Amino acid sequence: DVKVTQSSRYLVKRTGEKVFLECVQDMDHENMFWYRQDPGLGLRLIYFSYDVKMKEKGDIPEGYSVSREKKERFSLILESASTNQTSMYLCASSFLSRSSRETQYFGPGTRLLVL
Amino acid sequence: QKEVEQDPGPLSVPEGAIVSLNCTYSNSAFQYFMWYRQYSRKGPELLMYTYSSGNKEDGRFTAQVDKSSKYISLFIRDSQPSDSATYLCALRNSGGSNYKLTFGKGTLLTVNP
Repeated sequence: DVKVTQSSRYLVKRTGEKVFLECVQDMDHENMFWYRQDPGLGLRLIYFSYDVKMKEKGDIPEGYSVSREKKERFSLILESASTNQTSMYLCASSFLSRSSRETQYFGPGTRLLVL
Repeated sequence: QKEVEQDPGPLSVPEGAIVSLNCTYSNSAFQYFMWYRQYSRKGPELLMYTYSSGNKEDGRFTAQVDKSSKYISLFIRDSQPSDSATYLCALRNSGGSNYKLTFGKGTLLTVNP
């Protein structure tokens, strides 16, 4: 079974703090993704990475950065947390192959509260 | 027009009912269609995957795709309280950025015992 783990289930931070969210997958997937999920807005893609040290912006990258130093690990960084970044953060991974059967597998999520 | 429209519900049904969940989409480039189930405070998990028009059945779940109408459905037969969750449709195109999924906003389903 594919396993995607996230470092924290719940996190409380103060405005202005630097926040690190970590994600690890054990299936040797090339692609890794960070989403945020908010009521009424659904899942929105923040950043994704298709290889080590490679990254591309998703739909809402402002206020976030990412790091991928190892294939299995993808980090999301909030340089200076703000209250509007309070959300559920979801990490996902998938193979790079253009196989029609490939899809994304999600971690359990991190609920971040910024005070 | 949004790329994917999904009725957010909430939908509340009695145990044993047949449930129909639907998404419509506007981009004919979408070729692969998925349904994810997300329990409260958990990550989404893949439930069904289809890539052609027609029906695909897996136990009590049937995924239906109508590409000509740009309409996809998930049917749940003999619904159970354990089916209570948010259901998200997800679509992917066949070329270009084929890694990217476009999600519906999800439908919250409650099955009452």
